[in-house]
This record gives sequence, C-alpha cells and structure tokens, in this order.
Amino acid sequence: DAKTTQPPSMDCAEGRAANLPCNHSTISGNEYVYWYRQIHSQGPQYIIHGLKNNETNEMASLIITEDRKSSTLILPHATLRDTAVYYCIVRLLLGGNTPLVFGKGTRLSVIA
Amino acid sequence: NAGVTQTPKFQVLKTGQSMTLQCAQDMNHEYMSWYRQDPGMGLRLIHYSVGAGITDQGEVPNGYNVSRSTTEDFPLRLLSAAPSQTSVYFCASAKGGGAETQYFGPGTRLLVL
Repeated sequence: DAKTTQPPSMDCAEGRAANLPCNHSTISGNEYVYWYRQIHSQGPQYIIHGLKNNETNEMASLIITEDRKSSTLILPHATLRDTAVYYCIVRLLLGGNTPLVFGKGTRLSVIA
Repeated sequence: NAGVTQTPKFQVLKTGQSMTLQCAQDMNHEYMSWYRQDPGMGLRLIHYSVGAGITDQGEVPNGYNVSRSTTEDFPLRLLSAAPSQTSVYFCASAKGGGAETQYFGPGTRLLVL
C-alpha cells in the first residue's frame, strides 16, 4: 500500500471549514483514499472514501487532485465534537477486503 | 444491531498469564480484524480474517493467536502476556469485498504488569 503524509496537528476555529491535507504521491491506479477519525481513544470511525472523483457525504467532502497524488478532507462547519485524530489511508483493493494501514494521522483541535 | 462489541473493556494481567479478548459482530460481516494502539501511535494490525475458517497475520502478530470458527466471533488470545503487550486493542469488521468500510468496536484496554 502507498504511504501517506499528514501534518501532525492542526487548529480550526469553531464554525469554520477544516481542511485536512494528505499527500500520497506513490498511489497506484487501483488504490482508494480513505479517511477515518478517532475521537478521544474511541474506536476509529469511517468518514469518507474515494478513488478519482470528489466525494461528499453528510460528514465531509473529499477532494482528490487530478494526478491523485494528494487529497483534502473538508469538514465544512467544524464543531468542538470534531476534535479528533484524522487518518488518511490509501488502500489497495484486490477483489477482497484488505486491511487498513494506519499512520499517525493529524490531530485536529477545534477551538471555540 | 449492536454492531461490533468487545469484552472486557479493561483488564489487568500479570506477566505470563494468558487471556482471550472477545470480539463479536451481528452484521453478518465476512471480514474481521484486530488492531493494537500504543500511546500516541496509530493503530497496528495484529491478525485478520476474510471469513470463517480463514485467518492471516498482520503487521505485529507475534504473541497473539486467533481463530474464526463462526462468522460472528473473532477472539484474540494472548498465550503468555508480556508488559510490551500493554495497549488498547480494537476489533473491526466489514461486509467484505470491494471498498467496504470497516466498523470498529469500543476497544479493550489491557495492562500487563
């Protein structure tokens, strides 16, 4: 699986958009970009994933660059409850389920 | 659905003791896995299973055994606990195949003295 690079920490003001970057310059054509988050030592929670196109769901938006070497997770209106560690994971899919490989992630602090 | 459940929530062991961490899911998921998370670190994969009767090793399998006799359960066994196994253990499951997302349990906090 391709390696990802994320900043160790970020701050965001409550109510503003939080933009979390992720570099995955060695990503291959059949690898998806996944985002999970972990709130205060709870189990990780799935946020969103994508292959090529930008994706949006009720939690966030995922913007993937055209060359697929980087992506940005956007929380449009961050709240204090969004304070968590956010993991960007590139996942190779071989027709069956494959393990998630976690890095250290980005610790997002939402500030009132 | 209860989702992914783990027991116990917290356990203290002495070095050399054995124990089994339980993980169960009621979503009929084929894929299940175990991770450990040490303080300030990301999750590391211990073992995983793509279906009943099939298991495979992850990144850090030494000191742990698993079996998958049913779809619902995926217990993790520590044969002889060591202080280095002090960690938080998370179990996860997924429907299997394709880009299925994984659902995590609440974790078991293990302290080995």
